[in-house]
Amino acid sequence: GIQVEQSPPDLILQEGANSTLRCNFSDSVNNLQWFHQNPWGQLINLFYIPSGTKQNGRLSATTVATERYSLLYISSSQTTDSGVYFCAVDNTDKLIFGTGTRLQVFP
Amino acid sequence: KAGVTQTPRYLIKTRGQQVTLSCSPISGHRSVSWYQQTPGQGLQFLFEYFSETQRNKGNFPGRFSGRQFSNSRSEMNVSTLELGDSALYLCASSFGAGGVETQYFGPGTRLLVL
Repeated sequence: GIQVEQSPPDLILQEGANSTLRCNFSDSVNNLQWFHQNPWGQLINLFYIPSGTKQNGRLSATTVATERYSLLYISSSQTTDSGVYFCAVDNTDKLIFGTGTRLQVFP
Repeated sequence: KAGVTQTPRYLIKTRGQQVTLSCSPISGHRSVSWYQQTPGQGLQFLFEYFSETQRNKGNFPGRFSGRQFSNSRSEMNVSTLELGDSALYLCASSFGAGGVETQYFGPGTRLLVL
């Protein structure tokens, strides 16, 4: 089956710093989503981005489908950005999740 | 529009018991998928229901089952609970079937098996 790898596994930032999270996948996909899981376990949709670039406020994402990777950019990080970021892909009618990047933002 | 809701939010059971979890999708969504999240295995797909039919199933034993009702609400059942079934169970809904569309997740049910 398709493999999804995320890097880095952990990231510690000071408020105001920028960061880039990466998601590599091993096969072509029909769907790619980025999620933020808050401390209570809720998975919050950030982007649906099987290809191209999207921006939403301080967050943006780029997926290069031909090279099988996606990047999530967080600019001017805030403490509320803390949590785990997951990339999930689909090519067999179900989402396959990566292992996540745990982000901690300190004031 | 109200989001995906799951009940109960927390549950404590003992080994050998069975449990039923409920998920109400976003209004108008017809697909409901279930996922299990554990520290060791991460987020894993359990099954998907669309128009009351199971469309897809992950690699879980037969103790895990589910169903979907005509109003798109879904339930999942785990029989003969084992310690390893302790997990966060998440459901997600989407308008169409399969994984092609954006999936929206509920807050989850935390199950602890003692």
